[in-house]
Amino acid sequence: QKEVEQDPGPLSVPEGAIVSLNCTYSNSAFQYFMWYRQYSRKGPELLMYTYSSGNKEDGRFTAQVDKSSKYISLFIRDSQPSDSATYLCAMSYWRLYGQNFVFGPGTRLSVLP
Amino acid sequence: GAGVSQSPSNKVTEKGKDVELRCDPISGHTALYWYRQRLGQGLEFLIYFQGNSAPDKSGLPSDRFSAERTGESVSTLTIQRTQQEDSAVYLCASSLEGLYTDTQYFGPGTRLTVL
Repeated sequence: QKEVEQDPGPLSVPEGAIVSLNCTYSNSAFQYFMWYRQYSRKGPELLMYTYSSGNKEDGRFTAQVDKSSKYISLFIRDSQPSDSATYLCAMSYWRLYGQNFVFGPGTRLSVLP
Repeated sequence: GAGVSQSPSNKVTEKGKDVELRCDPISGHTALYWYRQRLGQGLEFLIYFQGNSAPDKSGLPSDRFSAERTGESVSTLTIQRTQQEDSAVYLCASSLEGLYTDTQYFGPGTRLTVL
């Protein structure tokens, strides 16, 4: 079982739709949860982060974490064509030594005008 | 301010040749990461630097891959005797202190094609 799983898509939605992107993970040590957005031929950039179970809202974006189910989600309301990108979940935990970040494989989203 | 830069942006090479990829992190960032992203795939961790030491090299796929970093500055990723399966985008990221809560800032990547 991979440490972080994410449906690769592609996911196509009409403009204005609500989009739900999800990741599951297996390592209960993860403490910090992020969503990165990657436009074509660019590096990923941080979109949102959250520490705890529950919801965090930022404009049209809501990040949700359910640690008991090891499940995180990103919701995009009123989706726009400019939201078309690949969305990667990422999670991390404290380690004394070594790499502590794991990225999901990404979901490719297309928002059609 | 300047972000993470990488060079070259594109590299086409012949199988068996050596290539060197360069990453300039954000000034003051002590942590630096290299990832590989194959077409349509996620980020594959290669190596992590804290300052100029590499506490975690576990992601390097073979001994043909090596990396070094000068102080808290430039890093180079070297691939010797390139193979076609090395074709990918190589992404570099830096973060302020390498803490698990630090944001990783990514460069635009180097697109490597091995013919």
